[in-house]
Amino acid sequence: AQSVTQPDIHITVSEGASLELRCNYSYGATPYLFWYVQSPGQGLQLLLKYFSGDTLVQGIKGFEAEFKRSQSSFNLRKPSVHWSDAAEYFCAVAGGGNKLTFGTGTQLKVEL
Amino acid sequence: GAVVSQHPSWVICKSGTSVKIECRSLDFQATTMFWYRQFPKQSLMLMATSNEGSKATYEQGVEKDKFLINHASLTLSTLTVTSAHPEDSSFYICSASPISGSESEQYFGPGTRLTVT
Repeated sequence: AQSVTQPDIHITVSEGASLELRCNYSYGATPYLFWYVQSPGQGLQLLLKYFSGDTLVQGIKGFEAEFKRSQSSFNLRKPSVHWSDAAEYFCAVAGGGNKLTFGTGTQLKVEL
Repeated sequence: GAVVSQHPSWVICKSGTSVKIECRSLDFQATTMFWYRQFPKQSLMLMATSNEGSKATYEQGVEKDKFLINHASLTLSTLTVTSAHPEDSSFYICSASPISGSESEQYFGPGTRLTVT
C-alpha cells in the first residue's frame, strides 16, 4: 500500500523568503504525485502534479516541485513566499483505482 | 473550469437525525466521485469511492449502513449520515474525476462542516 510522509508539521517563514516543503512517498510502481493547498475551512486546490517526464514540475502561484526517484521525494518549493501563501499543504500519491493517499499536511505560517 | 460544489457548506443537526450532503460537478461529468473525512488539523481520510449507477466501495472501517452514498448521475453524488452522533462531527469533502480527464485527476469541493449536537 502507498503512503506519504510530510515530516514537517509546522513551518514558519518570512515573507519574501524561499520555501521548501518536504514530502516522501512509498509506492511500488511509478507514482502519480500531487501537491494540494487548503485554506482554513476550504476544500483542496491542486498546485501541481507529476505523472511522468520532466522531474521538475511547475505549478500555479509560482510553486514548483521536483521528483527524485532515488530519494522517494517530491518536495515543493517557492522562491519567494507571499503572505497569502499561509495555508495547509498536502502531498498525495495516487494508487490503484485512482485513490489518493494524503500526507498529514504541513501548516505554513508567513511572518510579515 | 472543473468546479465542484457541495451543499450545504455547514450543517448542525441533533443526535439521532440524518443529514444529506450533496456533491455536484458543475461543468464536467464525473465517472467517479470520492468522499473524504477530515478531522481538525488532520489529513483527509478516504471514506468511499462511488461510480455512477453502481454501489459505492467503502474503505476499511467505514460503516456503509451509516454513511449512505448515492451516485445517481454523472454530476451528482450524495452522502447521507444516518442516525448521526457527536462523533460523526467532522469536515466532509468530496472530489470528482472527470470522464475526459487524465488518470488520478480529482477536483475537490469546498467541504461541508457537520456538527452533531
